[in-house]
Amino acid sequence: GAVVSQHPSRVICKSGTSVKIECRSLDFQATTMFWYRQFPKKSLMLMATSNEGSKATYEQGVEKDKFLINHASLTLSTLTVTSAHPEDSSFYICSARDPGTGNGGPLHFGNGTRLTVT
Amino acid sequence: EDKVVQSPLSLVVHEGDTVTLNCSYEVTNFRSLLWYKQEKKAPTFLFMLTSSGIEKKSGRLSSILDKKELFSILNITATQTGDSAIYLCAVSRDTGNQFYFGTGTSLTVIP
Repeated sequence: GAVVSQHPSRVICKSGTSVKIECRSLDFQATTMFWYRQFPKKSLMLMATSNEGSKATYEQGVEKDKFLINHASLTLSTLTVTSAHPEDSSFYICSARDPGTGNGGPLHFGNGTRLTVT
Repeated sequence: EDKVVQSPLSLVVHEGDTVTLNCSYEVTNFRSLLWYKQEKKAPTFLFMLTSSGIEKKSGRLSSILDKKELFSILNITATQTGDSAIYLCAVSRDTGNQFYFGTGTSLTVIP
């Protein structure tokens, strides 16, 4: 089945530093990947849609300069949290849809990255 | 504004009970509704529903969609402690590329 790999699974960083999270589709090509954020005991909040070869589409209220997204290839999207602050601490999950399943097919998720900013 | 609402927010049942989780939605240009189970990490896919009235079934889990009343239910029969998780409902619209998640239902099954 379709697999999405996310790395790292856990990262602790100091305030002011930047953190890069990678998301790879392992057995399919994804022109579009999605980045979600999840607060404790809350649902997934769509942050942005990553588009291969073009700019990401950000949801309302998400700072594009804060959360930099790059989708350099058909199998890799990265999310960089710049100048991280403690309030950026959260669980970040990427996902992608296997285009072979047709429009509206299920999203496949990475295992998520637990970011803690001290 | 598009929205997906799940109820109840949390539920505690005993092993062997049957539970019904609800998901209602208001989404422009609806495409599909999906159910996911999330334990500690990534949500795992359960069902995708696109047509009204057709029940999807997998073991003790089943789900059905009502596109007229804009809701779906997820049933779990003979619950087990391993069913304890957050159950997420997501709806896709338009081209099917974007998915919006509901608030989730936290299910706890006690022995």
